[in-house]
Amino acid sequence: ILNVEQSPQSLHVQEGDSTNFTCSFPSSNFYALHWYRWETAKSPKALFVMTLNGDEKKKGRISATLNTKEGYSYLYIKGSQPEDSATYLCASFITGTASKLTFGTGTRLQVTL
Amino acid sequence: NAGVTQTPKFQVLKTGQSMTLQCAQDMNHEYMSWYRQDPGMGLRLIHYSVGAGITDQGEVPNGYNVSRSTTEDFPLRLLSAAPSQTSVYFCASSLRPRETQYFGPGTRLLVL
Repeated sequence: ILNVEQSPQSLHVQEGDSTNFTCSFPSSNFYALHWYRWETAKSPKALFVMTLNGDEKKKGRISATLNTKEGYSYLYIKGSQPEDSATYLCASFITGTASKLTFGTGTRLQVTL
Repeated sequence: NAGVTQTPKFQVLKTGQSMTLQCAQDMNHEYMSWYRQDPGMGLRLIHYSVGAGITDQGEVPNGYNVSRSTTEDFPLRLLSAAPSQTSVYFCASSLRPRETQYFGPGTRLLVL
C-alpha cells in the first residue's frame, strides 16, 4: 500500500448498531496513525493518535486498534447514536516523508433513528 | 486560548485576482500546515512549515505561496486565482508534525 486508504467510503446504520471502519497505510517507516472526527460544516477534531503495534485506545463508545506490521487500523463505534454522524478521517505519519501527515479520504457515517 | 483562527470565513474572487488567507495560532506550535478540501478527495496538503522561517511544499502547492515570519502566523497567498482553486481551506497546527493536529474553522473560497 502506497497511500492511506479508508473503507468503506460511506456507511448508513441505525441508532444502536455497532459499526467499524478500516484504515490501511504503508507499514514501512511507520511512526504514528491519527484518527479525526469531522462533522459537517465544522473542522476536524482529533480522536486518537497511536504509535505502537497492538495499541488500543478508547474514548467513550469509540475505540481504535492498530496493527503496524500489516498496516491497518480499525475504528469501532459501539451503540451508534445520531450525534456520531460525521466523516471519520485517518492519517499516517511516516518517518522520512518530510514531516507531513498523509490523510485518507474518510468514511462518512450516517446514523438514523 | 483562541486555538487556530482563520480569516476570512468566506471569500468570492474573480479569476486572476490575488488574496491572502490568514492563519494564526496561540499555542506556540512549531508545525503549521494548509490543506484544501474537495469533494471525494479528503484533505490535501498544500504547504507546511516546521518552524519560523522554514516552509515546504505539500501535495498540491501550485498557485499558492506561503511564508512563516513568526511562530504564530502562517498566511497562504493565492497569486492569481483560478476556478480550480474553489475549495474549503483549512489551516492546522501542532507541536510536532507527528502529533495531534488542531484545525482552524476553515475558509470557504469561491473563484468565479
